[in-house]
Amino acid sequence: KAGVTQTPRYLIKTRGQQVTLSCSPISGHRSVSWYQQTPGQGLQFLFEYFSETQRNKGNFPGRFSGRQFSNSRSEMNVSTLELGDSALYLCASSLMGQLNQPQHFGDGTRLSIL
Amino acid sequence: QKEVEQNSGPLSVPEGAIASLNCTYSDRGSQSFFWYRQYSGKSPELIMFIYSNGDKEDGRFTAQLNKASQYVSLLIRDSQPSDSATYLCAVNIGVGDKIIFGKGTRLHILP
Repeated sequence: KAGVTQTPRYLIKTRGQQVTLSCSPISGHRSVSWYQQTPGQGLQFLFEYFSETQRNKGNFPGRFSGRQFSNSRSEMNVSTLELGDSALYLCASSLMGQLNQPQHFGDGTRLSIL
Repeated sequence: QKEVEQNSGPLSVPEGAIASLNCTYSDRGSQSFFWYRQYSGKSPELIMFIYSNGDKEDGRFTAQLNKASQYVSLLIRDSQPSDSATYLCAVNIGVGDKIIFGKGTRLHILP
């Protein structure tokens, strides 16, 4: 069974640009969550999608947005990139949601802002 | 008080000994508790999850949950050098299915 797939693996952007990251969950998983990981702040929750609806949201500015498609694949968009957005962005999927089921993480997208 | 707190370490443990990792959380209503292991440069992988008070054992790993004291711990018996990693505690906090991660404890097993 294929795991969680994130593309691209690495990305370099400049300030002010926007970026779209993609996540394909494990087959059959309907919940997709996004996290930002930095050395200083650790793993921080961005948002969770379930059945194409955003079910939960963390404390990030509106520049961070996402969506989920009918096949459960999800995309995350960051607009007007700032230097502080440099981080590893991780996607995790679970069968029905974070609460009672473990999440399985992808390898992440490492975003660098110049 | 931070929502999920862990000692950042590093925690150094001799090979073959028991490693004890602790995590405290702020929300008395939390129901779901997870331990993830993350090797340097890799993504987190689930080790254990626990929902009820008490102990849950899986091989060399034991998760202990004490809801009254709001802490969850992970014991690793017969520690191996391959156990050297950062261990992340995750807890559901607040309303809805929002999982909050601690910043992790770096564990170093000394050969």
